[in-house]
Amino acid sequence: GEDVEQSLFLSVREGDSSVINCTYTDSSSTYLYWYKQEPGAGLQLLTYIFSNMDMKQDQRLTVLLNKKDKHLSLRIADTQTGDSAIYFCAESNSGGSYIPTFGRGTSLIVHP
Amino acid sequence: DSGVTQTPKHLITATGQRVTLRCSPRSGDLSVYWYQQSLDQGLQFLIQYYNGEERAKGNILERFSAQQFPDLHSELNLSSLELGDSALYFCASSVVYRGAYNEQFFGPGTRLTVL
Repeated sequence: GEDVEQSLFLSVREGDSSVINCTYTDSSSTYLYWYKQEPGAGLQLLTYIFSNMDMKQDQRLTVLLNKKDKHLSLRIADTQTGDSAIYFCAESNSGGSYIPTFGRGTSLIVHP
Repeated sequence: DSGVTQTPKHLITATGQRVTLRCSPRSGDLSVYWYQQSLDQGLQFLIQYYNGEERAKGNILERFSAQQFPDLHSELNLSSLELGDSALYFCASSVVYRGAYNEQFFGPGTRLTVL
């Protein structure tokens, strides 16, 4: 199986909350990241969480980390059409020289 | 704008040909990474350079090579191109090559189409 897994698609209505899930296999993961890719652009870091944290909140974004289950989630509150993009989960650890391993990305579609 | 530039934006070529993709990292970043993004493989790490030296290799084919020059720009050379090499190629840069926190800044990518 892949090192970082995500579901491929998520569709939500504008104003609702979106929750994008990610699972990873490496228990030595040190940092976990969420990147956003808008059409025709490169990836941009949205937020990250250190492995000794359970939760991190940044405005409309909430990251939850369940280290026991190796599960990471990104919640976007009050989702807007401008949030439509591909969201990538990534993890880095010392074994991989801290080079992030990315999931395949989740396409978030926000409809009015 | 991430500060990372890539040229060209699009490239169309034929099988068997050779192409060179160019990347300029953010000012001050010493580390450059190359990634390949395709529908079937997702985002695959190819290779990393730090201050002119190769530091890490990922799923890079032998037909592909890269280098980082003294001015820190990097080039990715793809040769004997096959249809399956059609993909988006991203360059990213970061300040450190080894460290617990590694925020990467991505360029806009080069879309390669092999016909």
